[in-house]
Order: sequence, then structure tokens, then C-alpha cells
Amino acid sequence: EIVLTQSPGTLSLSPGERATLSCRASQGIINSYLAWYQQKPGQAPRLLIYGTSRRAPGIPDRFSGSGSGTDFTLTISRLEPEDFAVFFCQHFGSSRAVTFGGGTKVEIK
Amino acid sequence: QVQLVQSGAEVKKPGASVKVSCKASGYTFTDYYLQWVRQAPGQGLEWIGWINCKNGITKYAQRFQGRVTMTRDTSINTASMELTRVRSDDTAMYYCAREEDFYLGGGTFSFAFDRWGQGTLVTVSS
Repeated sequence: EIVLTQSPGTLSLSPGERATLSCRASQGIINSYLAWYQQKPGQAPRLLIYGTSRRAPGIPDRFSGSGSGTDFTLTISRLEPEDFAVFFCQHFGSSRAVTFGGGTKVEIK
Repeated sequence: QVQLVQSGAEVKKPGASVKVSCKASGYTFTDYYLQWVRQAPGQGLEWIGWINCKNGITKYAQRFQGRVTMTRDTSINTASMELTRVRSDDTAMYYCAREEDFYLGGGTFSFAFDRWGQGTLVTVSS
């Protein structure tokens, strides 16, 4: 089973700053099977990125994803007040078995 | 519009069973897989399993094998997840989510959960 490790656990930034979140897989994965979600308190997660770098419908272009192999990154180019939340990466394995990373909290500095 | 509406909060005693339902609307129910995920208080997301809403085939995460059963009723566009022999560490918010298969071109697909239910809080307490 692939393990996803996200870092840092918490990122303290100010609005307007750039956020860089990491998701590292325990072994190489296929790019098309890596997604990112945002979760705000009291809400269900929301899909941001699928296939490593494809934005989901309605997601602003300040969100971008990149990476390959074992190292993947979610970047928020300029943080807006509504972006502060917890972010999870996700992998689809064989037979659609799913794993999630532990999450990165992006908080206001 | 696409919606997944889950059943209400549950309180159960240890050893009991709990069943959570997820009613879909706004799309063709049998064209998609429905996935189940849970989140313990203050914790991350944990995958439970999926059901193919067309044929009822299921797959469960190893740690839930033998305790979880997922079903669907295509006549009412509803999927359900039953967890038996619940324990205090089963206390969590339980989510259903629709799995979308995105075509990337060149015969390649990507998978992700594009719609989520509002969540059902299951509390296990004696």
C-alpha cells in the first residue's frame, strides 16, 4: 500500500503570499492518479486538482499542481482570505483503492 | 444540480451496527461509483471503500473487511454503508462522495471525488 506523507503539517502565511505544499509517496505513482482537496472547518472536502495538475471545474487559477514519481506539489500563488484551510492529497491505487495524505493546514500568520 | 444528501446523525453503543445512507440526485446514479470516507474528530481522511452503482460490486479497505457492507438501491438512487460491531474509535464524520473519471486523452483516465455529501456524524458511546 502506498503511503502519502504531506509536509509541512502547518504552514503559517499571510494573505497575498505564496503557499507550497508537498505530498511525497512511498513509491512512484502514476501522475493521473494524484488529486488534491481543500477542507474548511465544518465542511466536506472540495476537489481542487486531479491528474496531478488539472484544475477541477470552478477552481481559480491561483491553485496549481505539479510533480511526478514520488514528489508532488500544490501551489497557491497568492493566498486569498478564503484559501486558509486544510489540504489533502489523494492517490488512487489498483482496483481503485484510495489513500490520503495526513493533511497540511494553511493558517493565517 | 448534482447533490448527495446523507442521513442524519447517529448515536450508537459499542457493539451495535450503524447504517448511513446517501441519496443522489442531478445525475444518472448508475453511471458512477460512490465512495465512502470517514474523518475522526480533528483527524485526517480515511478511505472505507466503494460501490459500483451499476452492478453493486464493492471493494473495502482491508481494515474494514468483515465489518462493513455497502449496498445501493437503484430505484431510489440511494447508496448505504453499514458498519457493524462499532467501537469508540469508529466515532467520526462519515462522507459519501461521487467518483468522477476524468478523461485526460490518449486513453488515460484520472479519478477523483468530485461531489461530496454533507457528512453524517456517528458517535459511539456507552
